[in-house]
Amino acid sequence: DVVMTQTPVSLSLAIGQPASISCKSSQSLVHSDGKTYLSWILQRPGQSPKRLIYLVSKLDSGVPDRFSGSGSETEFTLKISRVEAEDLGVYYCWQATHFPLTFGSGTKLEIK
Amino acid sequence: QVQLKETGPDLVQLTQTLSITCTVSGFSLTTYNVHWVRQPPGKGLEWMGAMWNGGGTDYNSAFKSRLSISRDTSKSQVFLKMNSLQTDDTAKYFCARLGAGYWGQGVMVTVSS
Repeated sequence: DVVMTQTPVSLSLAIGQPASISCKSSQSLVHSDGKTYLSWILQRPGQSPKRLIYLVSKLDSGVPDRFSGSGSETEFTLKISRVEAEDLGVYYCWQATHFPLTFGSGTKLEIK
Repeated sequence: QVQLKETGPDLVQLTQTLSITCTVSGFSLTTYNVHWVRQPPGKGLEWMGAMWNGGGTDYNSAFKSRLSISRDTSKSQVFLKMNSLQTDDTAKYFCARLGAGYWGQGVMVTVSS
């Protein structure tokens, strides 16, 4: 199985500060069709996950442009340019290039 | 709009079988795939399997032969069945259209001895 390693485990940031979360995969996530099926989701406390980014860097509709995704092959990053109060929760990366689909262990963002 | 809703028991006895129904609206099961993902309390997410739009299925081998996913397209429902439940199967179970980022609210299932 592809192991998705996220760092850091947790972040505590003040509103307005930037955030960066790393996600590394144990294998290349480039599919035979040429696409890289790496997504980021946010799970707010008590809620279902919400997708933020797909195909490494494509923002879902309605997601603020302070969120951005980048990376290739085995190393990926989610950045928040300026953290807002509504950004608190657990962020997960996950891959759909290889079966079984696998998720990172999560990064908890707390607001100071 | 696209919606997915899981219904199932709150409590299942040890070694018994879990059955959960995912009822979808706003899209057709013959056009889009539906996945099952679970999350133990306070822990991360685990992909269980998928019902493909063509009617085929794929499963996470971690569940070996315990897991079965099926559907009734006329009712827009996808079914999860998992047998031989153990206490570490206690989790919130989600159905999701992962390809488009839609998730159900999940159903919390506790396995009790």
